[in-house]
Amino acid sequence: EVQLLESGGGLVQPGGSLRLSCAASGFTFSSYAMTWVRQAPGKGLEWVSAVTGSDGITYYADSVKGRFTISRDNSKNTLYLQMNSLRVEDTAVYYCAKYGGVAGFDYWGQGTLVTVSS
Amino acid sequence: DIQMTQSPSSLSASVGDRVTITCRASQSIGTYLNWYQQKPGKAPKFLIYAASTLQSGVPSRFSGGGSGTDFTLTISSLQREDFATYYCQQSYSTLMYTFGQGTKVEIK
Repeated sequence: EVQLLESGGGLVQPGGSLRLSCAASGFTFSSYAMTWVRQAPGKGLEWVSAVTGSDGITYYADSVKGRFTISRDNSKNTLYLQMNSLRVEDTAVYYCAKYGGVAGFDYWGQGTLVTVSS
Repeated sequence: DIQMTQSPSSLSASVGDRVTITCRASQSIGTYLNWYQQKPGKAPKFLIYAASTLQSGVPSRFSGGGSGTDFTLTISSLQREDFATYYCQQSYSTLMYTFGQGTKVEIK
């Protein structure tokens, strides 16, 4: 059974940093691209970042480029999102998800809440 | 960047109604279009990929269609458990799979 478990969310002041983790199990982690998607309170889904499976090529939404860094440790089956220079508008539930090829995101974690506030 | 626009933003319907949601891409994306269902406080659920292929376990009352820039999600007979928000997503851009703004289906 595929499972994705996010952790690391919490309350942080504007300008601060936070690192999210996503522990994966139930599939060959290194074979799949992974992604972070966020959802601000009462808003829609926003794709944030992605990383390929084995070669670690990264992609970012313009809204986070230069501030967030996605990475993965295939030996630990874990995905990360390092978030720096956080802004109030980064407040959201952050989900990690697994790519099902060109068929979208077939498995999602339960999400972790990041609140940026003074 | 490819922009995805859904309509309507919300709709009210009754159990048993036929419901159609529209999604339009800012450029042609072939059939690289996916649909998700999200209920309050829950992660999105993957419903349909490649515009019209149902994910395993998704009821047959859901169907998807379209190609190029215009797509639809249809629920043939709305059930109580279908009241949720639905999102389209393009999977044409390499790994940068962006979403529409969502359509909330509410009980009339």
